[in-house]
Amino acid sequence: QKEVEQNSGPLSVPEGAIASLNCTYSDRGSQSFFWYRQYSGKSPELIMFIYSNGDKEDGRFTAQLNKASQYVSLLIRDSQPSDSATYLCAVLPQGGGNKLTFGTGTQLKVEL
Amino acid sequence: GAVVSQHPSWVICKSGTSVKIECRSLDFQATTMFWYRQFPKQSLMLMATSNEGSKATYEQGVEKDKFLINHASLTLSTLTVTSAHPEDSSFYICSARRLAGLRGYNEQFFGPGTRLTVL
Repeated sequence: QKEVEQNSGPLSVPEGAIASLNCTYSDRGSQSFFWYRQYSGKSPELIMFIYSNGDKEDGRFTAQLNKASQYVSLLIRDSQPSDSATYLCAVLPQGGGNKLTFGTGTQLKVEL
Repeated sequence: GAVVSQHPSWVICKSGTSVKIECRSLDFQATTMFWYRQFPKQSLMLMATSNEGSKATYEQGVEKDKFLINHASLTLSTLTVTSAHPEDSSFYICSARRLAGLRGYNEQFFGPGTRLTVL
C-alpha cells in the first residue's frame, strides 16, 4: 500500500465549477498535510496546509481533513482554466522528522 | 513566500561527465534543504536531506557516491551528479525549510527545478 494515494486523473471540470481532489494516507499518526500545485515543467508551490480535523478555507481553496478516515481533500471553488495543473498531496508522517511524503498527484483540467 | 533559486535551470551534458546544481535560499536561512528527483508523469522522490554543516542523509536506493551533496552554508546546498548517464536524466528539485514563524509550522519552499539531460 502506498503511503499517500491520489487518483492520477485527469479530473475534468467546467469553468466555474467546484473541483474536488482527494488524498488518503496510511500513517495514522501523521501530523500535517499539505497541498501543492505543480504546473507542467515547473516545481511545486504550496497552496494550503492543514493539521486539525475539519475545514480550512483560504480564498477559493478549502482543505478538509478527517484523521479518523485518514483522508484529506482540497476543494477549489469557481474553478478557472489557470487552475489546470497537477495537485500533489503531501504528508508529514509521525516520526518522519522534516520529510514530506508525496502522493503521485492528480491532474486537474478546467475546461472552458 | 520565501524565494529559493536553482542554477542552472537546465543542462545538457555528455555521458560520463559531472554536473553541479546549486540551490540557494535567497531571503531566509535554511538549516535543512531537500533534494528531489521527478521523472515524467511521476511524483517527487526524495533523494536526500541536506543539513548545514553535516553529512547529507540519503534515502534508500540513492547512491551517495554518485549524488554528492554539500550544504556549506545556511543559504546554499549543491548537488553534484557524478559520471552522469542517460538514466540520470530527470527533473531535479531542491527545497529549503524555513523554521516555524507566525504560521506555526516549518514550511518548505521549492526551487524552480533543474532539468538534466544526459546524452
